[in-house]
Amino acid sequence: AQSVTQLDSQVPVFEEAPVELRCNYSSSVSVYLFWYVQYPNQGLQLLLKYLSGSTLVKGINGFEAEFNKSQTSFHLRKPSVHISDTAEYFCALSFGNEKLTFGTGTRLTIIP
Amino acid sequence: DAGVIQSPRHEVTEMGQEVTLRCKPISGHDYLFWYRQTMMRGLELLIYFNNNVPIDDSGMPEDRFSAKMPNASFSTLKIQPSEPRDSAVYFCASSPMTVGYTFGSGTRLTVV
Repeated sequence: AQSVTQLDSQVPVFEEAPVELRCNYSSSVSVYLFWYVQYPNQGLQLLLKYLSGSTLVKGINGFEAEFNKSQTSFHLRKPSVHISDTAEYFCALSFGNEKLTFGTGTRLTIIP
Repeated sequence: DAGVIQSPRHEVTEMGQEVTLRCKPISGHDYLFWYRQTMMRGLELLIYFNNNVPIDDSGMPEDRFSAKMPNASFSTLKIQPSEPRDSAVYFCASSPMTVGYTFGSGTRLTVV
């Protein structure tokens, strides 16, 4: 079975500091990988996705993620966070257009 | 493009009542997904459609839940009778043939 693990349920970070949100996946076949952000009382917004090609993927709001097949990871990074980045972040995988399987989410809190 | 449109945004109902949630996908998207989000279980796929045909409904919790997609521009998720444990945020998402899921803003359901 395929699964997504987000080990950190909460990550506090000082404003303007870098952040890494970790995501590991388990699958016996190739997958597509995604990061979504959910601001309070809102839906999920796509940050970035890895389908194929370059393993470094750049997304919106200055975020990027690196696909590492050998370590089955897809960690999300940002070099300098802002208060507006406070949100919940979800890693997800899929096989083509089949269902998205989500991780449990990481709540990112920015400390002024 | 107006995105995925869900209605209502909030629904409060009494236990035992019928609840109908509505979704209008993005025009031209072939796939439609219904997800449920709760604190305890996170994001769960309930059912998804391809070209208006249900493909996988294994996530529908019980017979009280039903979903339909009578045409390419409309889907409903119905709960009858509703129970307090159905309280959650219900998201609809749509996707074209190429991989790319867009989520609606969700319906927050409270069953009292």
